[in-house]
Amino acid sequence: LAKTTQPISMDSYEGQEVNITCSHNNIATNDYITWYQQFPSQGPRFIIQGYKTKVTNEVASLFIPADRKSSTLSLPRVSLSDTAVYYCLVGDMNYGGSQGNLIFGKGTKLSVKP
Amino acid sequence: EPEVTQTPSHQVTQMGQEVILRCVPISNHLYFYWYRQILGQKVEFLVSFYNNEISEKSEIFDDQFSVERPDGSNFTLKIRSTKLEDSAMYFCASSVQGGTGELFFGEGSRLTVL
Repeated sequence: LAKTTQPISMDSYEGQEVNITCSHNNIATNDYITWYQQFPSQGPRFIIQGYKTKVTNEVASLFIPADRKSSTLSLPRVSLSDTAVYYCLVGDMNYGGSQGNLIFGKGTKLSVKP
Repeated sequence: EPEVTQTPSHQVTQMGQEVILRCVPISNHLYFYWYRQILGQKVEFLVSFYNNEISEKSEIFDDQFSVERPDGSNFTLKIRSTKLEDSAMYFCASSVQGGTGELFFGEGSRLTVL
């Protein structure tokens, strides 16, 4: 299983762009990179998923270099409501029909200040 | 937007009592999961369920735990004899595909064991 490492916490101010980097040196060929967001006392919420290069949706962008040993979640112009824990997960899209290898780490606690 | 619903939102029980947590996954989803999160700690995988059987389970999911899909819509987690350390937020999730496809989480059921 590919282990992920991400900063424990980050601080930002409203309106800034926030980039959270995740290291996954042992990522396997079939692994995808997925980011979730979790607010206090709520379930995690899917943000974005990618395999390589760049993926963008209405919420965020995900940058993955060619070696795929890291990835960066980019949140444009954050607001106070983006204060949450962000999790980077790595796992095989085709793994046995289960999510057993989708392991949540401690995540990055992002605090957005006014 | 379809969502995963969980009941109860909060349950208080005495140690040794049986508890059943209920979940209604999104209707066209085929894969179902339970995760738990002890206060202040990371989200932990418990079990995945597909085609009416357990696909994978973690070390946490011992003989005290069981899951069931009794009627084609509900997905339940039963804890036979609760312990103090079972106090946690329990999240149900579902997905269309297995592997690391997008998981949709419910709001959680907070279990407090006294």
